[in-house]
Amino acid sequence: QQQVRQSPQSLTVWEGETAILNCSYEDSTFDYFPWYHQFPGESPALLIAIRPVSNKKEDGRFTIFFNKREKKFSLHIADSQPGDSATYFCAASRRADRLTFGKGTQLIIQP
Amino acid sequence: GPKVLQIPSHQIIDMGQMVTLNCDPVSNHLYFYWYKQILGQQMEFLVNFYNGKVMEKSKLFKDQFSVERPDGSYFTLKIQPTALEDSAVYFCASSFLGDEQYFGPGTRLTVL
Repeated sequence: QQQVRQSPQSLTVWEGETAILNCSYEDSTFDYFPWYHQFPGESPALLIAIRPVSNKKEDGRFTIFFNKREKKFSLHIADSQPGDSATYFCAASRRADRLTFGKGTQLIIQP
Repeated sequence: GPKVLQIPSHQIIDMGQMVTLNCDPVSNHLYFYWYKQILGQQMEFLVNFYNGKVMEKSKLFKDQFSVERPDGSYFTLKIQPTALEDSAVYFCASSFLGDEQYFGPGTRLTVL
């Protein structure tokens, strides 16, 4: 049973466009939703995270939109840059608990 | 961000041998985790550790696996004996309050 579903599997956008990555979850007790990005051969790096008390979290060009009723959350990358090309993982957890990851989205930003 | 260190970066061993993966977590962090990632796939949780004890382990955390953090030193993952399917990248993570987890650079384990 896959508790966190992520789509699309891969995404290509032009430089300057907004990339949108989507995730959904099943366990309503999850209360922490981070996004990580991972470059080839490197460790996953925490990008931005949200808790269900908010439906939106912004950090520069990165925004998480959260829909508690539908159990969905998305990452919007505005004004995308070639350096944003990486694999992005969404995840979900309860405090101190394991992170359950989605299968990842390979994002390619075309110059 | 906070730095988690892992030693070694690569390890090649023969099937059946013992291996110990070392993690140096962020100094004031209290929660420690091991994850396993097979090439091209997502990270999967193995085990978490708090206050000197295993809190939870997944089905991937076989009987051959063990973790410890003696006297606040390295947080270690030991596999004894190793099997071919243990080949993967193992990531250590640590967290202060149990929410934001910071990952180390990983140890690539190859079992021949």
